[in-house]
Amino acid sequence: DGGITQSPKYLFRKEGQNVTLSCEQNLNHDAMYWYRQDPGQGLRLIYYSQIVNDFQKGDIAEGYSVSREKKESFPLTVTSAQKNPTAFYLCASSITQDEQYFGPGTRLTVT
Amino acid sequence: GDSVTQMEGPVTLSEEAFLTINCTYTATGYPSLFWYVQYPGEGLQLLLKATKADDKGSNKGFEATYRKETTSFHLEKGSVQVSDSAVYFCALTTQTGANNLFFGTGTRLTVIP
Repeated sequence: DGGITQSPKYLFRKEGQNVTLSCEQNLNHDAMYWYRQDPGQGLRLIYYSQIVNDFQKGDIAEGYSVSREKKESFPLTVTSAQKNPTAFYLCASSITQDEQYFGPGTRLTVT
Repeated sequence: GDSVTQMEGPVTLSEEAFLTINCTYTATGYPSLFWYVQYPGEGLQLLLKATKADDKGSNKGFEATYRKETTSFHLEKGSVQVSDSAVYFCALTTQTGANNLFFGTGTRLTVIP
């Protein structure tokens, strides 16, 4: 079945450690996105990539980094520079100029 | 800039009640409008969409009409079920090169038997 997978579902890290969240899609979509969701808030865009080997900062890119070496994969690294990393992270992909398909999310807790 | 304003929640309804969740938007150009639904602990699923003025999106008994004159895209359902309990997000994209989605803050709906 085609879709987007994110792993792991839950992730725990100590403060000061970098952590990488996985996002894989087999939908053959060109564009991929990372969003952050905090309680009671909408989703905010961290980074997006419209094509392999290219990506752009979203609204809240500080403290995060990404890579897009393959069409299927768009990993997100939460660095120690991110002041408030505990959140629910959602990956999405799209082929058209409108509809985005979302993965199940990764809940990151940093203590 | 582009933005979405969504009705504050939470909303609690009895089963079979009528649902309206208000959504208004501000956008340059001609946005596409969406409603996404998020069930507990899951990612977002597209519920319905409309890509031009006066279009009506519908799915699973939910409807929303793209009203350019009032810049609105209100979500409605005639008879809600317990299984409709979720968080609903209104969103838009202006179909520029970036294809970025702008989300509202979400409205939590709880349907009680």
